[in-house]
Amino acid sequence: GAGVSQSPRYKVAKRGQDVALRCDPISGHVSLFWYQQALGQGPEFLTYFQNEAQLDKSGLPSDRFFAERPEGSVSTLKIQRTQQEDSAVYLCASSPMGLAGAYRSYNEQFFGPGTRLTVL
Amino acid sequence: AQSVTQLDSQVPVFEEAPVELRCNYSSSVSVYLFWYVQYPNQGLQLLLKYLSGSTLVESINGFEAEFNKSQTSFHLRKPSVHISDTAEYFCAVSGDTGFQKLVFGTGTRLLVSP
Repeated sequence: GAGVSQSPRYKVAKRGQDVALRCDPISGHVSLFWYQQALGQGPEFLTYFQNEAQLDKSGLPSDRFFAERPEGSVSTLKIQRTQQEDSAVYLCASSPMGLAGAYRSYNEQFFGPGTRLTVL
Repeated sequence: AQSVTQLDSQVPVFEEAPVELRCNYSSSVSVYLFWYVQYPNQGLQLLLKYLSGSTLVESINGFEAEFNKSQTSFHLRKPSVHISDTAEYFCAVSGDTGFQKLVFGTGTRLLVSP
């Protein structure tokens, strides 16, 4: 079956532009995560959705970052007034269960290929 | 909160030699531990995971990792590497409850040369 897809794969933006990054999770997956991977670093958590509810956005670096998943499937990460420090690969991951999964059960995350954002 | 330390940013090794990639973690709660691999221009792939039970876990392509609770380590090993193992390797940890967000180390680049 199809895995997690992300679009665009590459995005170049001028400083100050708004961008929107799309994630199509695996069909039926309840959970959706966004991570940011700066050059030479490991991925860092941005935000988490269970269906359409955004349950954790503690990793969003500023109020310029906004994520949504209005129908509980496709998600969009929006960055307003992009800055050079926003340049990174943005990774999306989905997993089959949500918080209601069985206690201490493993909920594997499946990653998309990422969107590489370059802000000039 | 959890954190992961990968002390080696790059490990060069010759083909067919053994290799160990080091990973240490800290956490105040029970954890799951993972190794992910990222080939150039590709996404993250789960290499192996420790959830519970036997502390030695293996992957299908010859890698293994051992969970050492007393040393809070989860080092990755392979007795004989191939050129195709050249990639970035990330150690990660998550809690075993809640939504299990992953906390990654900074990665180790494994460079295998002939």
